[in-house]
Amino acid sequence: EAQVTQNPRYLITVTGKKLTVTCSQNMNHEYMSWYRQDPGLGLRQIYYSMNVEVTDKGDVPEGYKVSRKEKRNFPLILESPSPNQTSLYFCASSPGLTWGNQPQHFGDGTRLSIL
Amino acid sequence: GIQVEQSPPDLILQEGANSTLRCNFSDSVNNLQWFHQNPWGQLINLFYIPSGTKQNGRLSATTVATERYSLLYISSSQTTDSGVYFCAVHAGGTSYGKLTFGQGTILTVHP
Repeated sequence: EAQVTQNPRYLITVTGKKLTVTCSQNMNHEYMSWYRQDPGLGLRQIYYSMNVEVTDKGDVPEGYKVSRKEKRNFPLILESPSPNQTSLYFCASSPGLTWGNQPQHFGDGTRLSIL
Repeated sequence: GIQVEQSPPDLILQEGANSTLRCNFSDSVNNLQWFHQNPWGQLINLFYIPSGTKQNGRLSATTVATERYSLLYISSSQTTDSGVYFCAVHAGGTSYGKLTFGQGTILTVHP
């Protein structure tokens, strides 16, 4: 089954304790992206990756890191989490942006609470 | 950056009613997508529609790129249509990797 898998789905942690949210897709997609969703602010893009070893900032990259060492994985790293990073996070992928019809497929989300 | 505005912010319908959701964007775009976020939080792609009209069952969408808007039509609404509807755009030029979402329309369909 074609899917985008995020782990963990839920996490409660404390300020300053490094964490990684993994994202994996099995569709051989080139494009991957991370978003956060906050009440009243909608969905905002954190980082995106056009292909392996190519990443770029979205609208809210501060406090986050990403890497794209292989096509299927795009982990989101919070080196020193803070309470303002408490949010619902989504990973998404699509075949690529250079060939037209490219709907995004989303993971089921990761709810992070940072105390 | 590009601005995306959706209207109305909230919509309440009786089952069986029709509705139109609107998405305005401030600049030319490479693509436009409509998503439905169900009450369990899952985001489902409805349409990829940079221009023209598409239909999928009771849902259809039209994008008029030259006038910078898109419409999502829901006919004969059902309670399962409830949730939040987002449009999102990839801007043109060097920022085409960025995806910008509108604030969403919260749809509630009562039986």
